[in-house]
Amino acid sequence: QKEVEQNSGPLSVPEGAIASLNCTYSDRGSQSFFWYRQYSGKSPELIMFIYSNGDKEDGRFTAQLNKASQYVSLLIRDSQPSDSATYLCAVIKTGGFKTIFGAGTRLFVKA
Amino acid sequence: DVKVTQSSRYLVKRTGEKVFLECVQDMDHENMFWYRQDPGLGLRLIYFSYDVKMKEKGDIPEGYSVSREKKERFSLILESASTNQTSMYLCASSLFPKTDTQYFGPGTRLTVL
Repeated sequence: QKEVEQNSGPLSVPEGAIASLNCTYSDRGSQSFFWYRQYSGKSPELIMFIYSNGDKEDGRFTAQLNKASQYVSLLIRDSQPSDSATYLCAVIKTGGFKTIFGAGTRLFVKA
Repeated sequence: DVKVTQSSRYLVKRTGEKVFLECVQDMDHENMFWYRQDPGLGLRLIYFSYDVKMKEKGDIPEGYSVSREKKERFSLILESASTNQTSMYLCASSLFPKTDTQYFGPGTRLTVL
């Protein structure tokens, strides 16, 4: 079992729809959770982080964390073609320092 | 804005060569990281450093070494390059290890022939 698992996709959604990206992790003691966006040929950049159970909203993005289910998700409302990218889920494990990245989910937003 | 730079965007080396990849950050971050990224495998941690002259092995340190003589600079060394080290190498830095985000450099695409 991978430490951080994501569906590789591609996930295809029409422009204006909600894109839902999911991630599960294996270390129950994990404490910090991140979503990074990576455009093709570019390096990852942070979209959101979440530390506590529940929802966290930032503009069109909402991160959701459920520690009991070891599940993190990212919702993108009103998806735009410019959101087309690979989204990486990242988790800092118990003890800190090491960040474990998922392999990423490719998102395509069709105009 | 945090800026993380890497010495080369593209590099082609021959099997057996010693390869140096350099990373510099300008925000006085304590922590620096080296990853490699391969299709389907995501980002894998090679080494990280939480202070000058301090280093810790990541998940795939074999065949690599690192050097951090100054706070802003973190070098990755391939002692004897092999074809299975062909990859995208990404450097990152962060201020705090447990809660802070990582800022990535542009990456170095290394090809070993």
